[in-house]
Amino acid sequence: DAKTTQPPSMDCAEGRAANLPCNHSTISGNEYVYWYRQIHSQGPQYIIHGLKNNETNEMASLIITEDRKSSTLILPHATLRDTAVYYCIVRANSGYALNFGKGTSLLVTP
Amino acid sequence: DTEVTQTPKHLVMGMTNKKSLKCEQHMGHRAMYWYKQKAKKPPELMFVYSYEKLSINESVPSRFSPECPNSSLLNLHLHALQPEDSALYLCASSQERQGQGYNEQFFGPGTRLTVL
Repeated sequence: DAKTTQPPSMDCAEGRAANLPCNHSTISGNEYVYWYRQIHSQGPQYIIHGLKNNETNEMASLIITEDRKSSTLILPHATLRDTAVYYCIVRANSGYALNFGKGTSLLVTP
Repeated sequence: DTEVTQTPKHLVMGMTNKKSLKCEQHMGHRAMYWYKQKAKKPPELMFVYSYEKLSINESVPSRFSPECPNSSLLNLHLHALQPEDSALYLCASSQERQGQGYNEQFFGPGTRLTVL
């Protein structure tokens, strides 16, 4: 599975958009980009995933660059409850393991 | 029901004790997982069950013994643990696609284990 690089921490004001970057320069053609988050003392939560095209769901948007070497998770209107560690995971859609990296600790402030 | 439940929430045990962690899901998922998470670290995969059969064991010590009695239940039996085994133990489940994993995994809240 391709390795990912994320900033260790980010801040965002409540109500503003939170843009979380992820670099995955060694991504292969059959590998997807997945995002999970883990709120303190809870289990990880699936957010979104994509292959090439941008994706949007009720939680977030995922923007993948045309060369697929990086992506950005966008939380359009961050709330205090979005404070969590966000994990970007790149892997093929086969096999089982989710190899969590170090993630980005997002702090949403009032 | 889109929930994975885990019991107990907290467990304190001595190094000579035998205890079990339990996990349950009713989403019809046929892949179930155990992860271990140390403080301030990401979760690490321990075991994967696919259709009630052990599919992956990530070189976990034998003092951890998984069991999948049916498609909805997953247990982790603990015996002779060490203090360094203290961690958050997470259970997850996902749909199965004919021998291929499917990566939208649903996680339980975890069991916080302390080994004295």
